[in-house]
Order: sequence, then C-alpha cells, then structure tokens
Amino acid sequence: AQSVTQLGSHVSVSEGALVLLRCNYSSSVPPYLFWYVQYPNQGLQLLLKYTSAATLVKGINGFEAEFKKSETSFHLTKPSAHMSDAAEYFCAVSEAQAGTALIFGKGTTLSVSS
Amino acid sequence: KAGVTQTPRYLIKTRGQQVTLSCSPISGHRSVSWYQQTPGQGLQFLFEYFSETQRNKGNFPGRFSGRQFSNSRSEMNVSTLELGDSALYLCASSLRTSGGTGELFFGEGSRLTVL
Repeated sequence: AQSVTQLGSHVSVSEGALVLLRCNYSSSVPPYLFWYVQYPNQGLQLLLKYTSAATLVKGINGFEAEFKKSETSFHLTKPSAHMSDAAEYFCAVSEAQAGTALIFGKGTTLSVSS
Repeated sequence: KAGVTQTPRYLIKTRGQQVTLSCSPISGHRSVSWYQQTPGQGLQFLFEYFSETQRNKGNFPGRFSGRQFSNSRSEMNVSTLELGDSALYLCASSLRTSGGTGELFFGEGSRLTVL
C-alpha cells in the first residue's frame, strides 16, 4: 500500500534561514506528489505538485521541491524563512487512478523565530 | 471567485446522534472530496463525488455516507456518532480531469466535537 513519511513532526528555524522539510514515499511507480500548507483554523492550500514533467518543482511563496526517484524523496525547501511561513506542512501522494484520494503524511509543524 | 464553503464551521453532538455537513464547491468544479483530520490519524480520505456519483471511497465504516446534488453541492452524513468521530472534516473541490489528479481546493472545515 502507498505510504508517505515525513521526517520530523516539528522543525524550528530562524528567520532568514534555510527551510528543509523531508518527505519520503513508498511506491515502485512515480506517483503524483504534493505539498500542502495549513495555517491555524484554515483548510489546506496547495504549495506545489509533481506530475513527472520536471524533477525540480517550483511552488508558491518561494518554496520548491525536488523529486528524487532513487531516494523516493520529495523534500520541500525554501532558501530564506519568513515569519509568515510558520504553519503545518503536509506531503501527499496519489496514483493516477486514485483521483482525488490523496494519502497524506502526518505533517510537519514549522516554527520560525525572529 | 468564491472558495469552497463549508457549513457549519463548528458543532457539538452527543454519542448516538447523527450529523450532516454541507459543502459548496468552487463554481464550475464538479468533483467534491471529503477528508477527516484528527491528531492521531492525520488526514484520511473519506470519499469523492463527481457528477452526483461516488467515484472513490476510503476505508471508513458505513456510518459515513455522502451525496452530491445536481449543482455539485455535497453533503456528508455520519450516523450513530462515536467519540472517535470528533475531528475536522474538510471538503475539497476539483476540476478533476480524467486520468489525472486536479488541484484540490480545500474549505476551512467543519469541526465536529462528539461528547
């Protein structure tokens, strides 16, 4: 069965520092991969998605992620953290035939200190 | 363009009761999906409706059901509520292209507390 693992339930960085949130998936076939962000008391917002067109995917708010098939990873990065980036981040995977049935990781809470 | 609207935002029920949650998708979106979010289990897919038909279903008991109307609005119902049903229920709409996974646009959720 498909699964997603997010390493680190909580990541803390200083403002201006590099953000790295880790995500590994389990699949023999490269699936669709997503990163979503959830701010307190809000729904999820799509940051970016991988659909096999390019291994380096650029998203909104300066985030990007690199798909590495050999490592089954899809880590999310941002060169310089901003206070407004503090939120919970979810990695998700979907296979083509699964439609909107995404499998989400447990989430990583990002804290940004000044 | 209005986003996904979910009602009610908060509700409290007691064990054994039933609840109905409503979701209005973004105009033009024909796919509506429902997810349950809890601290312990995280985000779990409940079901997807497209053009009034259930297209996919997650691993939840039959107490969880849903439907979609001709205007794409959707409702989900949970009968015989249990304490473990306390959760944030998220609705997401999508253009749902065939053979692919369209971007999901999530509502702010309905937070259900079962006492």
